[in-house]
Amino acid sequence: DAKTTQPPSMDCAEGRAANLPCNHSTISGNEYVYWYRQIHSQGPQYIIHGLKNNETNEMASLIITEDRKSSTLILPHATLRDTAVYYCIVRVGDYGQNFVFGPGTRLSVLP
Amino acid sequence: EAGVAQSPRYKIIEKRQSVAFWCNPISGHATLYWYQQILGQGPKLLIQFQNNGVVDDSQLPKDRFSAERLKGVDSTLKIQPAKLEDSAVYLCASSPPYRILTNYGYTFGSGTRLTVV
Repeated sequence: DAKTTQPPSMDCAEGRAANLPCNHSTISGNEYVYWYRQIHSQGPQYIIHGLKNNETNEMASLIITEDRKSSTLILPHATLRDTAVYYCIVRVGDYGQNFVFGPGTRLSVLP
Repeated sequence: EAGVAQSPRYKIIEKRQSVAFWCNPISGHATLYWYQQILGQGPKLLIQFQNNGVVDDSQLPKDRFSAERLKGVDSTLKIQPAKLEDSAVYLCASSPPYRILTNYGYTFGSGTRLTVV
């Protein structure tokens, strides 16, 4: 079973920041938080991951609370192409363990 | 870098028929995964290979599903006989053989959409 809880859907206006929350209250000290997204008719795409520090890359920022029980994925300037299902996953950073996907959050970016 | 290749892109079969899906992972990626994604749900792992050995097949319905990865490169997933509830997208993913996962996580293919009628 997935170890995370996400809202089933969210809307965001084009050009505004999209903030996608994720609860992972049972996360262990050695588990990372990963975010993937899945655009219609494509396979999931890696976005970002982090352990306890905030992370930023060219796609998004990841804010992890100090107690690590929740996190927020931020798309700073959402575009229509960011419309997708976003998955938050916790996972030990070891190649041997697979990803367990929940239902994710369906983000709709509106013009 | 070429991505994970899957074929066919779409397949429609009648129940009780057999079907096979093919996956070519990214060159050098030792780990290969097959996921099943039913409409409206997140992907669910069916089987994980490390080179040509099975690491995890606990969620593979072995009475009808089989998978192989000969020579540790390409992989084939087969369903025989198919049931209506097998209608789903079958995703293949691969990852490099690093002890600590790289920043790229897994790379997924675009999947094969199977419809069983």
